[in-house]
Amino acid sequence: DQQVKQNSPSLSVQEGRISILNCDYTNSMFDYFLWYKKYPAEGPTFLISISSIKDKNEDGRFTVFLNKSAKHLSLHIVPSQPGDSAVYFCAASPTGGGKLIFGQGTELSVKP
Amino acid sequence: NAGVMQNPRHLVRRRGQEARLRCSPMKGHSHVYWYRQLPEEGLKFMVYLQKENIIDESGMPKERFSAEFPKEGPSILRIQQVVRGDSAAYFCASSPRPDRIYEAFFGQGTRLTVV
Repeated sequence: DQQVKQNSPSLSVQEGRISILNCDYTNSMFDYFLWYKKYPAEGPTFLISISSIKDKNEDGRFTVFLNKSAKHLSLHIVPSQPGDSAVYFCAASPTGGGKLIFGQGTELSVKP
Repeated sequence: NAGVMQNPRHLVRRRGQEARLRCSPMKGHSHVYWYRQLPEEGLKFMVYLQKENIIDESGMPKERFSAEFPKEGPSILRIQQVVRGDSAAYFCASSPRPDRIYEAFFGQGTRLTVV
């Protein structure tokens, strides 16, 4: 039972353009959503998060949008840079905190 | 302030041996989480521990796997009688509080290879 889904295994974007990574979830009890960036042979690094009571959170080049009615969130990276090339994981935290439920990841490749 | 430290980084075990993975949380963090990443998959939650307590082990396989977080020392994930299917990257994360999961930091992982 995959409660958090990232349906695009990979995404290729030109440097300077916008990258949009998508994530869908099924459990309405999630109250916090997070995006992590992961390089090979390293642990995930926290990127940005959003509470379920908000619909947008922005941090520099990174913006996360949450559509609760559609149970969908997206990460926008503008402008994309080659150093952004990595695997991006969407994760959700159930009410009360504790564990994270991860999506399968999307590998972003930003080409110069 | 050192981050989450995991060791060893790489571990090779023969089928039937035991694997012990260690995790030292960040200073001031008393909540530890273990995750497993199988090849081509996302991270799967295994267990959540506080000092001397297992809070949530809903993701732990029923047999051969155990975890502890003693009063002193690192958290240990123990896999007995390893099989090839246990080959994966095992990540530990720590946070100051469970409701501040956005402050959780991950270690670099232990890559277990069973031969």
